[in-house]
Amino acid sequence: DIQMTQSPSSLSASVGDRVTITCQASQDISNYLNWYQQKPGKAPKLLIYDASNLETGVPSRFSGSGSGTDFTFTISSLQPEDIATYYCQQYDNPYTFGQGTKLEIK
Amino acid sequence: QVTLRESGPALVKPTQTLTLTCTFSGFSLSTSGMCVSWIRQPPGKALEWLARIDWDDDKYYSTSLKTRLTISKDTSKNQVVLTMTNMDPVDTATYYCARMRYSGSYYVFDYWGQGTLVTVSS
Repeated sequence: DIQMTQSPSSLSASVGDRVTITCQASQDISNYLNWYQQKPGKAPKLLIYDASNLETGVPSRFSGSGSGTDFTFTISSLQPEDIATYYCQQYDNPYTFGQGTKLEIK
Repeated sequence: QVTLRESGPALVKPTQTLTLTCTFSGFSLSTSGMCVSWIRQPPGKALEWLARIDWDDDKYYSTSLKTRLTISKDTSKNQVVLTMTNMDPVDTATYYCARMRYSGSYYVFDYWGQGTLVTVSS
């Protein structure tokens, strides 16, 4: 199984800050990586697929990049409603997720 | 409008078999390319994929749990059923079902149910 390693596991930032989360795959997955947002008590929501494609309706302050084994998720200007845990997930069956990054407001 | 809803027991005893049902609307699992997966999340922990069933009845399972899992579908009822045998307290989690959409390159989990919390305790 492909292992996904996310960092940091938690992050505290101020409104308006640029926030970056990284995800590393244990083997080359090309650009076949997704990012999900999970708010407390809610189901995950798909934000980005193919490493950098924004899902319909997702604000443009969210972006993703990377290929191969190293990927980055960025929020260009943190908003209060972005408080959530973010997960990366690789495409190959069996599907695996990163351990999550919990984002809090400073 | 795509919706999914999980149902099943909130409490099961150790060694029992868990049966969960995902009832969905807004799409058909008889449509070519359509898939549904089950994913779980222990309290305060990360997401773990469990199983997937495809429109053509192909099935895929988690490497670590495949001996305990069975996934099936009833296309006429728009339902997907997951059974997990020999439940243990470590299986306490919120269980989600999710639709899978082909992104052009691979499948993504694009719609999720609200989840159902299953507690394993005697």
